[in-house]
Amino acid sequence: GDSVTQTEGLVTLTKGLPVMLNCTYQTTYSPFLFWYVQHLNEAPKLLLKSSTDNKRTEHQGFYATLHKSSSSFHLQKSSVQLSDSALYFCALRSVLSGSFNKLTFGAGTRLAVCP
Amino acid sequence: EAAVTQSPRNKVAVTGGKVTLSCNQTNNHNNMYWYRQDTGHGLRLIHYSYGAGSTEKGDIPDGYKASRPSQENFSLILELATPSQTSVYFCASGERGKRYAEQFFGPGTRLTVL
Repeated sequence: GDSVTQTEGLVTLTKGLPVMLNCTYQTTYSPFLFWYVQHLNEAPKLLLKSSTDNKRTEHQGFYATLHKSSSSFHLQKSSVQLSDSALYFCALRSVLSGSFNKLTFGAGTRLAVCP
Repeated sequence: EAAVTQSPRNKVAVTGGKVTLSCNQTNNHNNMYWYRQDTGHGLRLIHYSYGAGSTEKGDIPDGYKASRPSQENFSLILELATPSQTSVYFCASGERGKRYAEQFFGPGTRLTVL
């Protein structure tokens, strides 16, 4: 079945530094990948999405590129801000779910940005 | 703006008791979902629905039932609550038949089973 792996549970950085949060996936079918962000005591919200190989997608200063050759969809930002402190989930849409659009989520990576 | 609301926001229940978590969406979305969130596990799908009157089992349905009486409302029912069901529960809605369909999440319900 489908699976998503996020290797870092916690990433701690100083404001202004670049960040990369890792996401790799396994699926037999064409992948649709998403990044969701959840700020403290809030609901998860969509940050990025892609199904196009080797094309960079960007939103709110974050960017990611789907690489089918390495089954990866890492999330990056060139300069993190205090407001980026949150829990980030990578998710894979199951093609077999059809119109139901089932998502398989990774365990999540907590990003903590320090002054 | 998409709107998904959940009630209650916090709930303390006793082992063996019945718990009902409610979700309402004003997006007119066909698809609705119930997840639980636990540290180290991310979001795991419990039940989902294609529309009023339908419910389907997700990845971890044991110990849970669901009800979708209308397009707007989707409930999660714990008939006999256990401490292992202590978690944060999220409801979400999404469009049906759209490949990139974003899921819109509610604010969550923190459930503690003593």
